[in-house]
Amino acid sequence: NAGVTQTPKFQVLKTGQSMTLQCAQDMNHEYMSWYRQDPGMGLRLIHYSVGAGITDQGEVPNGYNVSRSTTEDFPLRLLSAAPSQTSVYFCASSYGRGAEQFFGPGTRLTVL
Amino acid sequence: GDSVTQMEGPVTLSEEACLTINCTYTATGYPSLFWYVQYPGEGLQLLLKATKADDKGSNKGFEATYRKETTSFHLEKGSVQVSDSAVYFCALSDQGGSEKLVFGKGTKLTVNP
Repeated sequence: NAGVTQTPKFQVLKTGQSMTLQCAQDMNHEYMSWYRQDPGMGLRLIHYSVGAGITDQGEVPNGYNVSRSTTEDFPLRLLSAAPSQTSVYFCASSYGRGAEQFFGPGTRLTVL
Repeated sequence: GDSVTQMEGPVTLSEEACLTINCTYTATGYPSLFWYVQYPGEGLQLLLKATKADDKGSNKGFEATYRKETTSFHLEKGSVQVSDSAVYFCALSDQGGSEKLVFGKGTKLTVNP
């Protein structure tokens, strides 16, 4: 099993550009989520999904969109990047409530 | 809302020293509690967890006990190694066993030989 994979590992954008961060898992987990990690802030939940076709907002959803068309994939879209979105982004998955979350290796995004 | 507070870092120790990283939480009901570890350049991985009061989670020589009376879940290890150098995060999920985790800000540990 590859676990949770994320692409790209690094990305530099200009303000106003759009892009999609990819996340995939091969563990047949129903639950997937996106976090951002900023210095001194810990991890903050952006969006999450409890199954294909179901998504919901987390703590810091503004500026990000998600969709979940399959169990395996959970892409995160930045429609118009801003410098405040410079961060490290982690995708995670788990098989259900209260279960261990498995994290991907992260995407380091810089917005100039 | 739910929140987690952990001790400020960074923490620097010599090999074989004792480690304690304090973690306290605010939550309604009876959350599940977790410690995650992040090694340099990697994602987070679960270190240990406890799901009810007085439970003790343990793994790789680390321990933490769920103390409801003090709303705490302190991480301890009797003898740290250089390979324990990492960032440690305390986290909780709510009483319903929510899929959502609330994280503390993390504590960076450096262990010197």
